[in-house]
Amino acid sequence: AQSVTQPDIHITVSEGASLELRCNYSYGATPYLFWYVQSPGQGLQLLLKYFSGDTLVQGIKGFEAEFKRSQSSFNLRKPSVHWSDAAEYFCAVGAGWNYGGSQGNLIFGKGTKLSVKP
Amino acid sequence: ETGVTQTPRHLVMGMTNKKSLKCEQHLGHNAMYWYKQSAKKPLELMFVYNFKEQTENNSVPSRFSPECPNSSHLFLHLHTLQPEDSALYLCASSQTGADSPLHFGNGTRLTVT
Repeated sequence: AQSVTQPDIHITVSEGASLELRCNYSYGATPYLFWYVQSPGQGLQLLLKYFSGDTLVQGIKGFEAEFKRSQSSFNLRKPSVHWSDAAEYFCAVGAGWNYGGSQGNLIFGKGTKLSVKP
Repeated sequence: ETGVTQTPRHLVMGMTNKKSLKCEQHLGHNAMYWYKQSAKKPLELMFVYNFKEQTENNSVPSRFSPECPNSSHLFLHLHTLQPEDSALYLCASSQTGADSPLHFGNGTRLTVT
């Protein structure tokens, strides 16, 4: 069955430092992959998505993610973190209705909470 | 403006009350979802509607009753809730392809007293 694992529950980085959030997926075919961000008390906002082609995808707010099929990973990165990046980040894989995606389109990981130190 | 609007933003209700959450999307999507997000718990999918037909009910208690009158509107009717039902309830919509991201509303923060 499809699944998404975010091994880090909480990460703290200093403002200006680089960031990498890990995501591993389990999926039988070429996956569609997504990263979302959620600020406190808000809904989830799409940061970026990977469908095919270039394995390094750019998103909003200066984020990027790299798809590595051999490692079943889709890690999110940012070269220099800003205090406003403090939020929770969710990785998701597109299960798809035709694939029997009874959970609807997307399967989400449990999220990684990012704290930013001044 | 997210394209998905949820009302109310905050709701406090007693265990014997009946209330409804409303969600509206203006994105032309065919599928709509209710998620529950509790503190320190993963995002829980509750209900999925595809072209107004319910396709998934992840063993949600009957005190939660969804309604989808058309592809643009989704309701969650609440009655005789428990304090553990206090959570952020998120509505989302999408097209039905695997490459279609979900678009979320800002949620309703529900507190059951």
